[in-house]
Order: sequence, then structure tokens, then C-alpha cells
Amino acid sequence: QTVVTQEPSFSVSPGGTVTLTCGLSSGSVSTSDYPSWYQQTPGQAPRTLIYSTHTRSSGVPDRFSGSILGNKAALTITGAQADDESHYYCALYISRGFWVFGGGTKLTVL
Amino acid sequence: EVQLVESGGGLVQPGGSLRLSCAVSGFTVNTNYLSWVRQAPGKGLQWVSLLYSGGNTNYADSVKGRFTVSRHNSKNTLFLQMNNLRAEDTAVYYCARISRQGYSFEYWGQGTLVAVSS
Repeated sequence: QTVVTQEPSFSVSPGGTVTLTCGLSSGSVSTSDYPSWYQQTPGQAPRTLIYSTHTRSSGVPDRFSGSILGNKAALTITGAQADDESHYYCALYISRGFWVFGGGTKLTVL
Repeated sequence: EVQLVESGGGLVQPGGSLRLSCAVSGFTVNTNYLSWVRQAPGKGLQWVSLLYSGGNTNYADSVKGRFTVSRHNSKNTLFLQMNNLRAEDTAVYYCARISRQGYSFEYWGQGTLVAVSS
């Protein structure tokens, strides 16, 4: 069974930089897993931030960036703002037509 | 404008059935990949199913054999037939369009709540 790992929680100061990661319980994440990132605030549907590792969805500010860091996918927020306080989920396209989401990271901006 | 609107959620007893609908506008269901994703109360997102434009389907192991995804082309609507429901199926169910460029969940509906309880 494929398990995708994310930090349960993270905090960042306003204006600061934070990097959230997305790993595999066994093995490394690569661009072939098409990592994508989603932002979700309570009671709302997820919003797509990043797809194909590093491509920002339309309308997403450039303070959000995606990459591969070591053996994990990463979402970096540069110049964090108060309304970036949300849950962040990554998803990996683990095989043809199958996805697995990570457990999500609750980001606090304080 | 792309829109996905889910409906059909509600309270159902364990072992019961429910059919969710996802009415789509701004694109056609039969030329796109579409998925269902669910979120149990207070929990994370879980991929449930995929419907290819060609009609093939995939399911998460947790719902395989109990859930069936389908579409009605002329109504431009996606469905999820859920049978033999269990308490652990309680969740908000989202439909989403898949971006074939990046194999990501490109557009999302607002979700519909399914509660399985006696």
C-alpha cells in the first residue's frame, strides 16, 4: 500500500518562508509522479496550487512554488501572508489512473 | 466558465445505497477525465474513482466492488453509485476534472455530504 507522507503541522511568521514536503513511505518522489498541491480552508473545496511538480495553476501568486527536494516533492511559500493559513495537501499520480493524497499539513501563520 | 455542482448526498443506513450526481458546465463529460475525491470529517483528502473519457474506470481499493462511476453525456453529468455503504464512507464527496497535462485535479465542485449511520 502506497503511503504519502506530509508534515502534520507547520508554522511560519508573516513574511517568512516555509517549505512543506511530500514523500513516499518507501521510495523517492520524482517528476514522473506528477506531484500536485492543493490548498483548503475549512468548509471550502480544495484549490489547486501546483501541478506537474512546479507549474502554478492560473491565478496562483508566484510566492507559491513547487520543486523536488532530495527524495520529496516540496511546496515553498515565500513571503507568507495571513491568508495562507490553511491545510495543504499533496497528491501523487502513483500509477496509470491512480492517485494517493498525503495526510495534509496544517499551516499556521503567526 | 467551468463549474461542477454535486448533489445527492444525505443520511443513509449502513448497507444502504446512494447515487451522487455532478452536473458539469463549461466542458463536456465525455471528452474529459473525471474523478471523485472524498474527505471524512476532520480528515484529509482521499481519491475514490476515475472515469476516463473513453469510458474505462479505476477505483480505490476501499470502494472497489461497491462504488460505480458513470456519466450521462446528454445531461453532461457524472454519477457515483454507492452500494453497501459503511460508516467509514461518511465524507464530503467532491467531483473534479482531471488535467491531462499534469494529471492533477484541475477543477473541483463544492462537495456533497454523505453520512452513513443507523
